[in-house]
Amino acid sequence: DVVLTQSPLSLPVTLGQPASISCKSSRSLVHSDGRIYLNWFQQRPGQSPRRLIYKVSNRDSGVPDRFSGSGSGTDFTLKISRVEAEDVGVYYCMQGTQWLPRTFGQGTKLEIK
Amino acid sequence: QVQLVQSGAEVKKPGASVKVSCKASGYTLTSLYMHWVRQAPGQGLEWMGIINPSDGSTNYAPKFRGRVTMTRDTSTSTVYMELNSLTFEDTAVFYCARDSEGCVDVWGNGTTVTVSS
Repeated sequence: DVVLTQSPLSLPVTLGQPASISCKSSRSLVHSDGRIYLNWFQQRPGQSPRRLIYKVSNRDSGVPDRFSGSGSGTDFTLKISRVEAEDVGVYYCMQGTQWLPRTFGQGTKLEIK
Repeated sequence: QVQLVQSGAEVKKPGASVKVSCKASGYTLTSLYMHWVRQAPGQGLEWMGIINPSDGSTNYAPKFRGRVTMTRDTSTSTVYMELNSLTFEDTAVFYCARDSEGCVDVWGNGTTVTVSS
């Protein structure tokens, strides 16, 4: 199974400052079709997860442009250019390159300092 | 717009079973796979399995195999997840989540299952 390791697990950030979350895979996430099925989700307190980024770097509709995704192979990053209060929550990476089982990272809890 | 609406909270005794529903709207249920994900209190997301609503085929995570059954009713655009032999460790929120082109996109509103004696 593909293991996704996120860091840090806890991320205190000052409002207006940038934030970065890493997601490292135990094997390359490049699919045989050439695509990389690595997605990022945000889960605000008491809410269902919401997808922010799909296939490494594609922002979902309605997601602020301060969120960006990058990476290749086994190393991926979610960046927030300027953290706002509404960004508080837990962020997860998830892979779909290995069709089954799907796997998630452990989650990174972002809080305001 | 696409929505996945799940059934309400449940309280069950150890050893019992629970069946959670997930009603899809805004798209054709049979066109896309559906996942089920478990989230224990204060914990991360755990993939349970997947169902192809088109033909009812399923694939379960080894941890849940033998205890979980995923089914669908195409006439009502609803998928179901039944979990048997509940233990206290099954106290969690269960989510359905749609798969689009190999990526989970839309999530249900979650169903809280509490296992208590």
